[in-house]
Amino acid sequence: QVQLVQSGAEVKTPGASVKVSCNASGYIFSGHFIHWVRQAPGQGLEWMGWISPGSGGTNYAQKFQGRVTMNTDTSTPTAYMELSNLRFEDTAVYFCTRMTVTYAFDVWGQGSMVTVS
Amino acid sequence: QSALTQSASVSGSPGQSITISCTGTFSDVDYNYVSWYQQHPGEAPKLIIYDVYHRPSRVSHRFSGSRSGNTASLTISGLQAEDEADYYCVSHTSRGTPPYVFGTGTKVTVL
Repeated sequence: QVQLVQSGAEVKTPGASVKVSCNASGYIFSGHFIHWVRQAPGQGLEWMGWISPGSGGTNYAQKFQGRVTMNTDTSTPTAYMELSNLRFEDTAVYFCTRMTVTYAFDVWGQGSMVTVS
Repeated sequence: QSALTQSASVSGSPGQSITISCTGTFSDVDYNYVSWYQQHPGEAPKLIIYDVYHRPSRVSHRFSGSRSGNTASLTISGLQAEDEADYYCVSHTSRGTPPYVFGTGTKVTVL
């Protein structure tokens, strides 16, 4: 069964960093890009960036450049998203999701709530 | 700022058909790679349509996708109570960044 399982909820203070994990199972981890998408309370979906577990290459949304770092550990296999210098407006549910060859997101993690207060 | 505009809300009675539109605002949107997602409250989004028309095997035949020019559409036939959810379109773009644009989301209410 293909699935992505994320780490639990976090509460952080402004200026701190948060690292969210996304453990993959049921498929070849290096074969699919992992994307990160967030959703603020009552708001829509916002794309943050992607990482290629095979090459380690990344592409971050301009909005998060300089604050976000994505990496993977192929031995576990787990993807990580770290967001630094947190602001109140970073309060959101953060999702990891797997991309297909035709740019759709076919498997999603359950989401990790990050609260900045 | 999102480049895919959706109607904020659509409603229908059980058994009816409804259509949600998704219109791009710039020429770099690749309309060959539009996908649609259903999201119930407190849950992760779920892929229901990919590549404009295609439906994953586990998704009901009541969901169908189409496209005309710079507008993609999702139709839900035989509306059921469980279809009440938020729906998002997403498209790949030909630009390097951002490579994806999300729709603004549509709230579907079953009356």
